[in-house]
Amino acid sequence: DIQMTQSPSSVSASVGDRVTITCRASQGISTWLAWYQQKPGNAPKLLIYAASSLQSGVPSRFSGSGSGTDFTLTISSLQPEDFATYYCQQTNSFPRSFGQGTTLDIK
Amino acid sequence: QLHLQESGPGLVRPAETLTLTCTVSGGSFSSRTYYWAWIRQPPGKGLEWIGTISYGGSTDYNPSLKSRVSISLDTSKNQFSLRLNSVTAADTAVYYCARRGDHGRAYDFWGQGTLVPVSS
Repeated sequence: DIQMTQSPSSVSASVGDRVTITCRASQGISTWLAWYQQKPGNAPKLLIYAASSLQSGVPSRFSGSGSGTDFTLTISSLQPEDFATYYCQQTNSFPRSFGQGTTLDIK
Repeated sequence: QLHLQESGPGLVRPAETLTLTCTVSGGSFSSRTYYWAWIRQPPGKGLEWIGTISYGGSTDYNPSLKSRVSISLDTSKNQFSLRLNSVTAADTAVYYCARRGDHGRAYDFWGQGTLVPVSS
């Protein structure tokens, strides 16, 4: 099974900051990686698929990069609505697996 | 716009079977492109993938649950279902149904989730 490890587990930032979250896979997954945003009480929302493709309707301040085992999600200029928990997920093989999540809160 | 809605009991007793149904509306359920999945989230914790089913009925499950879980499809009702046997308190979670769409095998539509406590 593929293990996904995110870092940091939590990060504090201010509106307008640039934030980067990292996700590492325990083995190579090419670009089979997705990023989700989850706000309290809500279902996860797809942001990025195939490591770097922006899901329709997602603001362009979100971007993803990486391949193989190392991936990043970057928010170029934080907006108030971006404070949430972010999860990566490998979609390379079964069983699918998620990272443990990164909570982004207001500094 | 595609809509997924979970339904099931509000409470399950230990050792019993948890059964949930996801009803899909507002879009195509019968396309062979799509897969349908169950994902859960214990209170205050992260996401755990439970399993998936294709339109053709092929399934894959999380090995940690494989002996207790089954997912089935009812194409006549645009529904898919989850059965989890012999539940314990550790199975208490919000259960989400989701669609694997056309892009990158990612889950592009999710239900709102339903909390299923396991308690006597």
